[in-house]
Amino acid sequence: AQSVAQPEDQVNVAEGNPLTVKCTYSVSGNPYLFWYVQYPNRGLQFLLKYITGDNLVKGSYGFEAEFNKSQTSFHLKKPSALVSDSALYFCAVAGGTGANNLFFGTGTRLTVIP
Amino acid sequence: GAVVSQHPSWVICKSGTSVKIECRSLDFQATTMFWYRQFPKQSLMLMATSNEGSKATYEQGVEKDKFLINHASLTLSTLTVTSAHPEDSSFYICSASDFSGANVLTFGAGSRLTVL
Repeated sequence: AQSVAQPEDQVNVAEGNPLTVKCTYSVSGNPYLFWYVQYPNRGLQFLLKYITGDNLVKGSYGFEAEFNKSQTSFHLKKPSALVSDSALYFCAVAGGTGANNLFFGTGTRLTVIP
Repeated sequence: GAVVSQHPSWVICKSGTSVKIECRSLDFQATTMFWYRQFPKQSLMLMATSNEGSKATYEQGVEKDKFLINHASLTLSTLTVTSAHPEDSSFYICSASDFSGANVLTFGAGSRLTVL
């Protein structure tokens, strides 16, 4: 069975500083890993994904994530945070050959302080 | 890119009434759509997988008679909350895949249901 853990409910970072939002996963077989962002009262917007290939994945709005198989992690990062990055971030995993049945982590609320 | 539209974006209803939420893929055909429920400050919980032309597949613990799903066409899936009660108040989100090979789900903006 697939599962995702986001150990931090809340992450605060000063504007301009680097940010990291943590995610670890458990899945049988090769993982399909995703990051989505949710703004208040909105649906989810896709940020980036890892299916195969380079462990460092670059996505929308300057975000990137590194797939680490040995640590079963897929942390989201950005070199310089913006106030507009403040939102709820979800890590998700799907197993097997398809990525349509996603299991989400509990989410991490990122607050970027001006 | 792919766009998924949900309607209504918010709805308030009286206890005991039924509410229908629509999920449309605007520029692609979606043979499969997914319905999620999100409680305040919590993650998304997959409720069911909606398959065009066949019965929906419900996740464990989700009452299929309570949450009726119909996927009558390749661009429309509906979720009907029957005999709604205050505990059904939640944020409901649908998603769909355009199966373009990108392995990315597109999510609707969500529908907030408040049952009085």
